[in-house]
Amino acid sequence: DQQVKQNSPSLSVQEGRISILNCDYTNSMFDYFLWYKKYPAEGPTFLISISSIKDKNEDGRFTVFLNKSAKHLSLHIVPSQPGDSAVYFCAAADRGSTLGRLYFGRGTQLTVWP
Amino acid sequence: DTGVSQDPRHKITKRGQNVTFRCDPISEHNRLYWYRQTLGQGPEFLTYFQNEAQLEKSRLLSDRFSAERPKGSFSTLEIQRTEQGDSAMYLCASSPATSGFAYEQYFGPGTRLTVT
Repeated sequence: DQQVKQNSPSLSVQEGRISILNCDYTNSMFDYFLWYKKYPAEGPTFLISISSIKDKNEDGRFTVFLNKSAKHLSLHIVPSQPGDSAVYFCAAADRGSTLGRLYFGRGTQLTVWP
Repeated sequence: DTGVSQDPRHKITKRGQNVTFRCDPISEHNRLYWYRQTLGQGPEFLTYFQNEAQLEKSRLLSDRFSAERPKGSFSTLEIQRTEQGDSAMYLCASSPATSGFAYEQYFGPGTRLTVT
């Protein structure tokens, strides 16, 4: 059972525009969320995270929004650049667990074209 | 900057053979995770070590799989009697033990296993 869902397998955006990647989760115990970026032949790279006590976290061009009541989060990239083209994974963790295991979605392939 | 390293990067083996992968975490990280990623899926948790203690194993980790971290530094993942369904990318990640939990895991490049 997929507890973290990324329902859009792909997204194509023009350079300079905003990219919005979406993620939904089903487990109400999840209270920490992360986004990872993955290039081909490399491991996932941590991008940005958010705790459930916040509804927004910003780091440069990347902003993550969390809507706990809807169990939904999104990653905004503004402005999008061709180098942002990669697979983006949403991940979630349960702070009630001491193990730090991450639950991942299936990923969204972002393509930023010039 | 020495990140997480994994060896080998690629492994092709015949069904029924045993394979072993190695992961070297970031040196000051005492938490180490193994994940498996198949085509079209996100990484799926396999097992977790804190120092040398293996604290959790996923149901995905059948009896043919064994992982060790003997001195709390590098880790090995062995698959015995490989099956074609074992073909996947095996990812290792590490994180530091901060107060509470360490969610931000740093991944290695992975070992791609192909079982023919």
